[in-house]
Amino acid sequence: AQKITQTQPGMFVQEKEAVTLDCTYDTSDPSYGLFWYKQPSSGEMIFLIYQGSYDQQNATEGRYSLNFQKARKSANLVISASQLGDSAMYFCAMRERSGNTPLVFGKGTRLSVIA
Amino acid sequence: EPEVTQTPSHQVTQMGQEVILRCVPISNHLYFYWYRQILGQKVEFLVSFYNNEISEKSEIFDDQFSVERPDGSNFTLKIRSTKLEDSAMYFCASSETGLDDTGELFFGEGSRLTVL
Repeated sequence: AQKITQTQPGMFVQEKEAVTLDCTYDTSDPSYGLFWYKQPSSGEMIFLIYQGSYDQQNATEGRYSLNFQKARKSANLVISASQLGDSAMYFCAMRERSGNTPLVFGKGTRLSVIA
Repeated sequence: EPEVTQTPSHQVTQMGQEVILRCVPISNHLYFYWYRQILGQKVEFLVSFYNNEISEKSEIFDDQFSVERPDGSNFTLKIRSTKLEDSAMYFCASSETGLDDTGELFFGEGSRLTVL
């Protein structure tokens, strides 16, 4: 079964607009961490934002925020004021305290920012 | 800012040849990982390494793969006899904490392997 589900293979957004990238996860472990990574066309994995399962507040990092809804097991990434340089693949990932795999990735969402 | 470095950035090899991909993890990290990403697909876990031995490995990590930390700084992935389907981007990662924690993994920029 998929542990991380990203249902949007591709998204378009107008420059300067906000966009939400969806991520749902599946775990029975009460302790876990959720991550978003950006992968531009050059291929490297760039860490964006982290949310711990016990964190009371949604994580924010500059223009990135994570809409964490624990009961719904969703961890959507919100990018505000999109820039052309935001065009990339975005991966949601989860790390469980008791899991044997250190980090499990979703299939990714390709974001294209349009001028 | 400390970072994970990987070499080579791109390697082209003939099928059946041996390949070694090298990684220098962040110096105070104790846990090391290799991940693989076939073009256009998601990032997949291969192996984790701690205290000079493999702690976990996926079903992808079969007998043709091996890892070692030969000199206390480098962390290498060896593919003994490459196959066409080994063509992928290989990411090294390291972390301060291990499998029982939920902290961040720091990734290198990847090594792109092309098998002809």
